[in-house]
Order: sequence, then structure tokens, then C-alpha cells
Amino acid sequence: EDKVVQSPLSLVVHEGDTVTLNCSYEVTNFRSLLWYKQEKKAPTFLFMLTSSGIEKKSGRLSSILDKKELSSILNITATQTGDSAIYLCAVDNYGQNFVFGPGTRLSVLP
Amino acid sequence: DAGVIQSPRHEVTEMGQEVTLRCKPISGHNSLFWYRQTMMRGLELLIYFNNNVPIDDSGMPEDRFSAKMPNASFSTLKIQPSEPRDSAVYFCASTFSGQPQHFGDGTRLSIL
Repeated sequence: EDKVVQSPLSLVVHEGDTVTLNCSYEVTNFRSLLWYKQEKKAPTFLFMLTSSGIEKKSGRLSSILDKKELSSILNITATQTGDSAIYLCAVDNYGQNFVFGPGTRLSVLP
Repeated sequence: DAGVIQSPRHEVTEMGQEVTLRCKPISGHNSLFWYRQTMMRGLELLIYFNNNVPIDDSGMPEDRFSAKMPNASFSTLKIQPSEPRDSAVYFCASTFSGQPQHFGDGTRLSIL
């Protein structure tokens, strides 16, 4: 059965801390791995990763894929209260489906 | 680009009533997904369509749930009869082959 696992499920940090969120997957036909941020409403797209070892970066957020280990990490440096959200990892199971993980709930305290 | 449009934004109804949720995908997208999100179970895929054809409905909880996509620009998710345990946020998302999904703002459904 296809599955995506995320850890930790919940994380509380203080502003300025650096966090690392983990995602691992088992799918039959991997095409890409995606990270989403969900605040009050719909998930919004952050990164799409298809190749191992190539870091994607956007401001204080960065992500990298390891296809050998079937995993990815999302790093957030110098966290701010506005980073508080649920971070979802999903895998595009080539033409079949998107499989989502349970999400990591990040709370950044002032 | 208007994005994925869902309606209604909120729905409160009594148990046993029929509920219809609507979705307009982004123009040009050829895949459409219906998800349900709860605190307990997270984001669950209910059904998805490719070129208006249902591909996988194994996530549909039971026969009370049905979904249609009569054309490329419209889809509905129907619950009949509704039950309190159906209360959740229902998201619609669309994509074009290999691209990230774009989500609508969701319908918050409360069944009393």
C-alpha cells in the first residue's frame, strides 16, 4: 500500500529557531514529491522535487530529496510566527494518485 | 487566473439531508481530486477524475457518497443521506499532468 510518513507530527519552537521536517514514502511509481503549507484554509504549494540531491530554496525555506532513502526534508531557518502552519508532504504516484502524509503541525512562539 | 472555486464555503444542515458540494477546477487542468480533512484523520483522498472520468473512488467512505464530473469545468460531491460523522472540510484540487495540485478554499460542512 502506498504511504507517506511525516515526523514529527507536532513541533513547538521559538522565533529564530531552525526546524527540520521529515518525510518518507513508499509508493509504487514515484514521479515527484511535493511540500505544501496549510494555514487556515487550503494547502498552498511550496516545492516540487523530482531529482535527488538538488536543493530547492525559497527565502528561509529549503528542501531536498533523497531517492535512495525514499525521503525528503524541509528546513526553515530563523523561524517567524508566520511560519506556524501544518506542513504537508505528498507524493505524485505517477499518473495514479497524490498520496499525502499526515502533516507536521508547527507552532512558532514569539 | 481564478484558481479552484468551491461552493458553498460553509454548509450547516441536519442529519439525513442531502448535501451537494461544487467545484470548478482551473481551466486547462485535466485532473480533479476531492479530499476530506478532519483533525483525527488528516487529509484523505475520496475520489479523483482524469479527463472527466473517475479513476479511483476507493476512498469514498460508503454508498452515501457520490461524485460526478459532467464536463471539464465542473464537479459535484454529493452526500445522501448525511450523517454527523461526515462533518469535515472538503477540498477540491486540480492539476495538469505532473504539476502540483492547486486547492480550492474548501467547504466546511457541519451535520447536526
